[in-house]
Amino acid sequence: DQQVKQNSPSLSVQEGRISILNCDYTNSMFDYFLWYKKYPAEGPTFLISISSIKDKNEDGRFTVFLNKSAKHLSLHIVPSQPGDSAVYFCAASGNQAGTALIFGKGTTLSVSS
Amino acid sequence: DVKVTQSSRYLVKRTGEKVFLECVQDMDHENMFWYRQDPGLGLRLIYFSYDVKMKEKGDIPEGYSVSREKKERFSLILESASTNQTSMYLCASSPYRVTEAFFGQGTRLTVV
Repeated sequence: DQQVKQNSPSLSVQEGRISILNCDYTNSMFDYFLWYKKYPAEGPTFLISISSIKDKNEDGRFTVFLNKSAKHLSLHIVPSQPGDSAVYFCAASGNQAGTALIFGKGTTLSVSS
Repeated sequence: DVKVTQSSRYLVKRTGEKVFLECVQDMDHENMFWYRQDPGLGLRLIYFSYDVKMKEKGDIPEGYSVSREKKERFSLILESASTNQTSMYLCASSPYRVTEAFFGQGTRLTVV
């Protein structure tokens, strides 16, 4: 069973508007969450992360929100740019050393100008 | 600048061949991971290692093995390549607690 779920395979947004990508998890032992961006034929690039002791982390145009009680996190991109068009992956890891990093299936974001 | 390097960007192998995919990191990270990416399936964990000579199965280890003889190098081995192993393979490394992980550029493997 999937431990990290990204239920929206795709999202289309206009340039300048907000993009909101969602992620749900089932394992309450996860305590660190990461977002990655991936272009075709390249490796994923780390974007932003959040610890389970926080509910928000911001880095420039990117903000990640964590709702532990709902086991839900979201990535907000404001303002969206055409160069943001890529596949976005949510990932989670546990609080024990040597734990695996588990990914969702990804959401393809398309930003139109 | 942090670096994870995969030995090949593109590989074409024949069915039944033994295939080695190599990954090297220069960040002195304890953890290393192998994933494969397929359309609609996301990044699926094949194996990971949290120390030299240590390995743990991921979600899809069948048909694969791994080797970690040195801290900086993690090899993925396809014992007898099959066409359903045609995929993009991604290696990553992270510190012991996975607060960040860095990926290589990926290897596009085609098995014919």
